Amino acid sequence: NAGVTQTPKFQVLKTGQSMTLQCAQDMNHNSMYWYRQDPGMGLRLIYYSASEGTTDKGEVPNGYNVSRLNKREFSLRLESAAPSQTSVYFCASSPQVVVQANEKLFFGSGTQLSVL
Amino acid sequence: SQKIEQNSEALNIQEGKTATLTCNYTNYSPAYLQWYRQDPGRGPVFLLLIRENEKEKRKERLKVTFDTTLKQSLFHITASQPADSATYLCALALGQLTFGSGTQLTVLP
Repeated sequence: NAGVTQTPKFQVLKTGQSMTLQCAQDMNHNSMYWYRQDPGMGLRLIYYSASEGTTDKGEVPNGYNVSRLNKREFSLRLESAAPSQTSVYFCASSPQVVVQANEKLFFGSGTQLSVL
Repeated sequence: SQKIEQNSEALNIQEGKTATLTCNYTNYSPAYLQWYRQDPGRGPVFLLLIRENEKEKRKERLKVTFDTTLKQSLFHITASQPADSATYLCALALGQLTFGSGTQLTVLP
């Protein structure tokens, strides 16, 4: 049982390049999330998907787009990467959306992204 | 706006002692609060959840308290071990989960 799987683990981009971070969960969870983690700032929510077919903005959505491809997969796309997007990105999932229930999050191991 | 503060960026304690980590919040009354552990290079792992009507919750050597009047949660690790060394994050359900920046705990042998 892999849980939440993120790819790639590391990525270096040049300013202006685009890329997609992939996330898949095998726990049959309805809700999925993308967070970024920066030193001293904690985890900040970028986008989330309460259920298949829906996506909503979080605290810091600018510069990102997401796709909930199916119940298992939730991808994060940077259309034109900027140095300010250098961060560690975490995907997470939960059985139901946090706001409606006392749900805990299951996290992937993260993607370390550097934008030069 | 909501603010979550965790005490000091780093906490060093001697093995066998009790570690106490603090999480303070402002401008909100969350229905529950969660604590996570994060090891270097890994994603956070859920430890405990405490609801607003629960004063205290325990799990093995872990104890969490939740004081909604003080707007504070305390996280205790008793009989600490070097393996407890990690960063500990508190999180509040403010819409979605909002995390503090964490406290890095080092347990010295």
